[in-house]
Amino acid sequence: GDSVTQMEGPVTLSEEAFLTINCTYTATGYPSLFWYVQYPGEGLQLLLKATKADDKGSNKGFEATYRKETTSFHLEKGSVQVSDSAVYFCASQYTGANSKLTFGKGITLSVRP
Amino acid sequence: NAGVTQTPKFQVLKTGQSMTLQCAQDMNHNSMYWYRQDPGMGLRLIYYSASEGTTDKGEVPNGYNVSRLNKREFSLRLESAAPSQTSVYFCASSVPYEQFFGPGTRLTVL
Repeated sequence: GDSVTQMEGPVTLSEEAFLTINCTYTATGYPSLFWYVQYPGEGLQLLLKATKADDKGSNKGFEATYRKETTSFHLEKGSVQVSDSAVYFCASQYTGANSKLTFGKGITLSVRP
Repeated sequence: NAGVTQTPKFQVLKTGQSMTLQCAQDMNHNSMYWYRQDPGMGLRLIYYSASEGTTDKGEVPNGYNVSRLNKREFSLRLESAAPSQTSVYFCASSVPYEQFFGPGTRLTVL
C-alpha cells in the first residue's frame, strides 16, 4: 500500500538556522503531496502542497519540491524562527482530490532563541 | 466561521464505558474523517465519510462506530472503551487537496 516515510526526530535548531526535513513516499502512480503543521495544543493545518511532479509548494518561507525521480518531498526553510516550533507531517493522497490522506509519523521541531 | 469543532476537549473513561465524540463543520464540505494520533504513530484514519449517508472504514476501525448524522455532523462512538483507545482524536473535513482539522479530543481510558 501507499506509505510516507519521514526522517526520525526530534530536531532542535537555533533561530535563523537552515531547516531540512526529509520525506519520501511509495505509491503506485503519482500522488499529490502535502506538508501539514501542528502547533502545540492545536489540530493540523495545511502548510503547503504539490499536486504533480516538479511542482514546488511554498508558504510562510517553507518550500518543498515534488521530485518524482527520488520519490521525495523534502521540506526546507532558509531561516527558522522560534514560532516555527511545531510537529510537521508529510502526507500523500493517491487518486482523487477528496480521497484519503496517508500521513508520515511526524517530526517535532524545536527552535531555540 | 467556526470551521471544525469537536466536543468534548478532554475525557476520562473507565474500561468498558461508552461515549460519543461529536464533530461538526460549518464549511458545507462533503467529506469528513476521524483520525487518532498516538506518539510515534502519526495520524491513523479510523473512519471516513465521502458524503452524507455514506461511511467507510479506514486503517484502524476496530472498536469504533460512526454516524454521519447530516452534512454538518460526523460522530465517533466507542461502545466499550479499552485502554488501547487512549489517544488524541481528530475530526477533519475536506475540499479538494486540503483537509481542515478540529482542535482534537484527548481521551484517557483507565
